[in-house]
Amino acid sequence: ETGVTQSPTHLIKTRGQQVTLRCSSQSGHNTVSWYQQALGQGPQFIFQYYREEENGRGNFPPRFSGLQFPNYSSELNVNALELDDSALYLCASSFLQGGEGEAFFGQGTRLTVV
Amino acid sequence: AQSVTQLGSHVSVSEGALVLLRCNYSSSVPPYLFWYVQYPNQGLQLLLKYTSAATLVKGINGFEAEFKKSETSFHLTKPSAHMSDAAEYFCAVSHNNDMRFGAGTRLTVKP
Repeated sequence: ETGVTQSPTHLIKTRGQQVTLRCSSQSGHNTVSWYQQALGQGPQFIFQYYREEENGRGNFPPRFSGLQFPNYSSELNVNALELDDSALYLCASSFLQGGEGEAFFGQGTRLTVV
Repeated sequence: AQSVTQLGSHVSVSEGALVLLRCNYSSSVPPYLFWYVQYPNQGLQLLLKYTSAATLVKGINGFEAEFKKSETSFHLTKPSAHMSDAAEYFCAVSHNNDMRFGAGTRLTVKP
């Protein structure tokens, strides 16, 4: 148990739809990162939020967006879903303070786009 | 930009044999390096991390890794494999909390 909770665990959406994935960070953590893990691949960095501001972004289009709330929970929103968006989406929380905080991962949300 | 390369997408060992999973990194600054394990349909669990202290890092479940700057490597080892070690293993490099993962190595343990 890492204390990081993601919901829902599984989701099926139709191409063109929009989806919101949620992450509850571990208590005391101020940073959340989102990753996309396609089948058989390593996680790919989508973006990171620190104290409610985006703090870095990977090579993902603008239709991938996020929010971090005052309680440090977070949402990942994906608009205009494409078939290639089918993947496991992982959220990781950490405490960022001058160095590298250990990242704790949630169980992930399995998104299937049909 | 930083990156890691994991050599070998699949590794198979017999129970009780040495486990060696290879990882090479590329980083323009002193790196923070990590090994994570992922069991089917689960998130990632941290095995160990290197943060510029001791070059030999001991982790959970009997795993350890050695940071070798001259070889830009951070290979993961375990002296004796258990059936429960069968999983996907990911090496990662991080700078300013931007973590980049390798493609992963699937470890199979034969009885």
